Amino acid sequence: EIVLTQSPGTLSLSPGERATLSCRASQSVSTTYLAWYQQKPGQAPRLLIYGTSNRATGIPYRFSGSGSGTDFTLTISGLEPEDFAVYYCQQYGRSFTFGQGTKLEIK
Amino acid sequence: QVQLVQSGGGVVQPGRSLRLSCAASGFPFSNYAMHWARQAPGKGLEWVAIISFEVNNKWYADSVRGRFTISRDNSKNTLYLQMDSLTTEDTAVYYCAKSQTEGGGPFDYWGQGTLVRVSS
Repeated sequence: EIVLTQSPGTLSLSPGERATLSCRASQSVSTTYLAWYQQKPGQAPRLLIYGTSNRATGIPYRFSGSGSGTDFTLTISGLEPEDFAVYYCQQYGRSFTFGQGTKLEIK
Repeated sequence: QVQLVQSGGGVVQPGRSLRLSCAASGFPFSNYAMHWARQAPGKGLEWVAIISFEVNNKWYADSVRGRFTISRDNSKNTLYLQMDSLTTEDTAVYYCAKSQTEGGGPFDYWGQGTLVRVSS
């Protein structure tokens, strides 16, 4: 099983700042099979990024993804108030696994 | 627009069974693989099962294999999860989700979630 480890566990930032979230895999993941989701309290997750760097439908340009091999990054440029949430990475190349999540909170 | 509307769930005793449903609309249901995922209270996401668009292929997480059965009725645009031999560790919000492709892919649309609580 591919284990995904996200860091940091909690990230405290202010609106307007840049957020950098990390996802490290226990073995190499093809860039084709790495996604990011956003989840707000009481809501279902929402797909943000797939294939490492492709924005899903309706996702603002401030969300971007990068990485390869075992290290992947979600960057949010210019945080908006609605961006404070929990973010999960997911690999879907060998079965399906999620990271444990990063909570992005308002500083 | 794509909609996944879940039903079922509730409180059930350990060892009993429960069936969840997920009614899909707004897309050609029979063309896409479908998933179930879950989230224990205060925890992260866990994938549970996938069924291919053509019904024949199903895969399960180790934690539920042999106890849960995923199925679909393409004539009714509905996805199901039959959960047997439930334990307290199965307590979670269960989500159905649409695959972006006909096979394994990211989950591009999710149901609203339904709470399953296993308790005596």
